[in-house]
Amino acid sequence: DTAVSQTPKYLVTQMGNDKSIKCEQNLGHDTMYWYKQDSKKFLKIMFSYNNKELIINETVPNRFSPKSPDKAHLNLHINSLELGDSAVYFCASSHVREGTQYFGPGTRLLVL
Amino acid sequence: QKEVEQDPGPLSVPEGAIVSLNCTYSNSAFQYFMWYRQYSRKGPELLMYTYSSGNKEDGRFTAQVDKSSKYISLFIRDSQPSDSATYLCAMIDSGNTGKLIFGQGTTLQVKP
Repeated sequence: DTAVSQTPKYLVTQMGNDKSIKCEQNLGHDTMYWYKQDSKKFLKIMFSYNNKELIINETVPNRFSPKSPDKAHLNLHINSLELGDSAVYFCASSHVREGTQYFGPGTRLLVL
Repeated sequence: QKEVEQDPGPLSVPEGAIVSLNCTYSNSAFQYFMWYRQYSRKGPELLMYTYSSGNKEDGRFTAQVDKSSKYISLFIRDSQPSDSATYLCAMIDSGNTGKLIFGQGTTLQVKP
């Protein structure tokens, strides 16, 4: 029933570790996104894929690598985690690029 | 200067009040304007989506866009305690990359 789902919901890890967050949408959308929301609730786009092709790649450290195995999935892998990576990461999807974006519930990442 | 400015609040009003939330922006290429509502520990959900200048009404919510002044507003009539949330304005430019630029969000509390 869930439109955009993310796993895990919470992630607590040590500095230097590598972790992945998974996102799946069952809306049949062509475009998927990753956003980062900091402690002040500011939401900023990181990446976007359209039909498995990377179309937005904001100024994000290359420790962050998105992967889209198919149109319904967009994963985010983070290498060598740092304290500043602690945030809530949201996945979203839309039918077309300028269309309504539907957000997942978020993954709360805490790096210790 | 951020592309989209939004007063973070918090804004506290009594139940039944009319709430006015606002954003200003600097990029005249923005063509699509949205308001998202985000409850605590949840993902943003779309409230209103407008393309052109003018008003759009949906129940107790009215979105207003003034492109000449680069100013958008969201009005909530007869506010309810269930409206207590963070309200984020967001915009997409005419390049149709799908990149949503968010305001910082305004935290609203409606007191019974």
